[in-house]
Amino acid sequence: KAGVTQTPRYLIKTRGQQVTLSCSPISGHRSVSWYQQTPGQGLQFLFEYFSETQRNKGNFPGRFSGRQFSNSRSEMNVSTLELGDSALYLCASSPRLPDQETQYFGPGTRLLVL
Amino acid sequence: GQSLEQPSEVTAVEGAIVQINCTYQTSGFYGLSWYQQHDGGAPTFLSYNALDGLEETGRFSSFLSRSDSYGYLLLQELQMKDSASYFCAVRSLSGNTPLVFGKGTRLSVIA
Repeated sequence: KAGVTQTPRYLIKTRGQQVTLSCSPISGHRSVSWYQQTPGQGLQFLFEYFSETQRNKGNFPGRFSGRQFSNSRSEMNVSTLELGDSALYLCASSPRLPDQETQYFGPGTRLLVL
Repeated sequence: GQSLEQPSEVTAVEGAIVQINCTYQTSGFYGLSWYQQHDGGAPTFLSYNALDGLEETGRFSSFLSRSDSYGYLLLQELQMKDSASYFCAVRSLSGNTPLVFGKGTRLSVIA
């Protein structure tokens, strides 16, 4: 099976702009999670979607939003970009089975805000 | 809530054995996962302990003790390519909660 794909891989924006990141999960996976990672920091949870429903949301401002489509593909949007939003944004998919906990990560989108 | 504590950095010699600990505070969880992330790369799944005890996968082993709120990742016969960050993670049983990761342990393997 093809792995998790994320587009674009790299992005440069300026403060105040908005950005949309895309994630295609592994075929058959219905759960998609998004994380923000900055240097020296762990994985900060942003959202989790399952079958088009947002199951969880992390402690991020309302400028961060996301959605999941019927084919399980997901997008996240960041509006009114700030310098501190510069980070690696990782998407992960999983089959979300109750007896296992394995997430498969995409390569990430590296966002630089100038 | 959930919190996981890991050492921020560990250094070990090539060919040696290293243990990366993960202590947690959560009322109940499905199991303990470990992920590896090389610089510039994405995290990759290493192991999952649903039950107490030791799980072995090649040179890597992972251990969980729910009674001690403690787990560890054991890497044997260290190789230079094992230099990476290692994250433990849990998902709470209570409610519909996300997978929570520790801040990660940076392992440096030296010659």
